[in-house]
Amino acid sequence: QSALTQPASVSGSPGQSITISCSGTSSDIGGYNYVSWYQQHPGKAPKLMIHTVSNRPSGVSYRFSGSKSGNTASLTISGLQAEDEADYYCSSYASSSAYVFGTGTKVTVL
Amino acid sequence: QVQLQESGPGLVKPSGTLSLTCAVSGASITSIDWWSWVRQPPGKGLEWIGEIFHTGKTNSNPSLKSRVTLSVDKSQNQFSLMLTSVTAADTAVYYCARGGHYTPVWDSWGQGTLVTVSS
Repeated sequence: QSALTQPASVSGSPGQSITISCSGTSSDIGGYNYVSWYQQHPGKAPKLMIHTVSNRPSGVSYRFSGSKSGNTASLTISGLQAEDEADYYCSSYASSSAYVFGTGTKVTVL
Repeated sequence: QVQLQESGPGLVKPSGTLSLTCAVSGASITSIDWWSWVRQPPGKGLEWIGEIFHTGKTNSNPSLKSRVTLSVDKSQNQFSLMLTSVTAADTAVYYCARGGHYTPVWDSWGQGTLVTVSS
């Protein structure tokens, strides 16, 4: 299993919207609606932001939304805020009871 | 609110065995949940290691499967990871988390523990 492909970095100004892509194959993202997104601040554990492609856990801001088309999933952060500056990872079920993470994207708020 | 806490040696010699335990509080390890391990080498991305159910059923990353052993201690409400034949490439922050089983939804995480493989 290869890691899912994410852009190394994405940046935006406060208030703007940004989108992070997560590219996989038909054996992972394209084959299942089991995609999650995690936010990780430096030195901290990852935090679940989106699950099952587009569902937000309780307590996660409505500014975070997820989608999927074919073998690519996306995370959109609208109304970008300073506190959103962090690393973001996608993850997908990848058959045979295994999971794969994305390469990670560093979000910078300008 | 569920809390997870990793514990174990911070330094392991090459070719040795890495052993970590995750103590669970605020939830029973015999619930419907699965329990997972994820690691992150310094400055790098996340890697799923494996998951276990309280019945002892496990699933592991194919790339690590031959070296990974997962176990559950119901009496102590904790679960454990053993990784054999370690090399410097196994140096990482190791996290335990609640979730898994056909869906990459880990909703509670431990703070993580750094394990360094060095002589």
